[in-house]
Amino acid sequence: KQEVTQIPAALSVPEGENLVLNCSFTDSAIYNLQWFRQDPGKGLTSLLLIQSSQREQTSGRLNASLDKSSGRSTLYIAASQPGDSATYLCAGLSSTGTASKLTFGTGTRLQVTL
Amino acid sequence: GAGVSQSPSNKVTEKGKDVELRCDPISGHTALYWYRQSLGQGLEFLIYFQGNSAPDKSGLPSDRFSAERTGGSVSTLTIQRTQQEDSAVYLCASTVKPQGATNTGELFFGEGSRLTVL
Repeated sequence: KQEVTQIPAALSVPEGENLVLNCSFTDSAIYNLQWFRQDPGKGLTSLLLIQSSQREQTSGRLNASLDKSSGRSTLYIAASQPGDSATYLCAGLSSTGTASKLTFGTGTRLQVTL
Repeated sequence: GAGVSQSPSNKVTEKGKDVELRCDPISGHTALYWYRQSLGQGLEFLIYFQGNSAPDKSGLPSDRFSAERTGGSVSTLTIQRTQQEDSAVYLCASTVKPQGATNTGELFFGEGSRLTVL
């Protein structure tokens, strides 16, 4: 059974700092890993999708890496801004036979202060 | 619309009543997921639909929960005889899974339906 863990659970940084969010998973046979952002009272917004054959993906100030052998993914946020404040979730897609299931971590709550 | 649409956005009901939650996926998306997010908790998988295949219902917490997807598009999640512990945000997501492919693509979520059972 896939289990996904995110560390830290909460993080507060001053504006402008670079930061790294960590995600670890127990089943290395994942098909892809996706990072999401969730604002309070809102749904999830997809940030980056890394296929199992890829090592990293970049979008603007965001860079996500995937190391299947060690069961880890990181989300790097450069030059953080107050608008980056949100909860960040990672999710790994695994097979359950004929179906695919996305297993989520419990998230990292990020606050970027002025 | 261009995104995943869920209704109602908020639902308050009395314990013991039945509720229906609706999800309109992105047009052309073959796979549809329902998740539940309780206060302070992570996302809990409920059910997965892929094309005409039998759905994966392994995440449904009890037989009071059921879901269907008519015509391969709109999905309805039904909770019968609601209990207070059913209070949560119910999130729907859709994606494309090409025929014969193992992977699904990027998952897109709706804004969720917040259910409160009094």
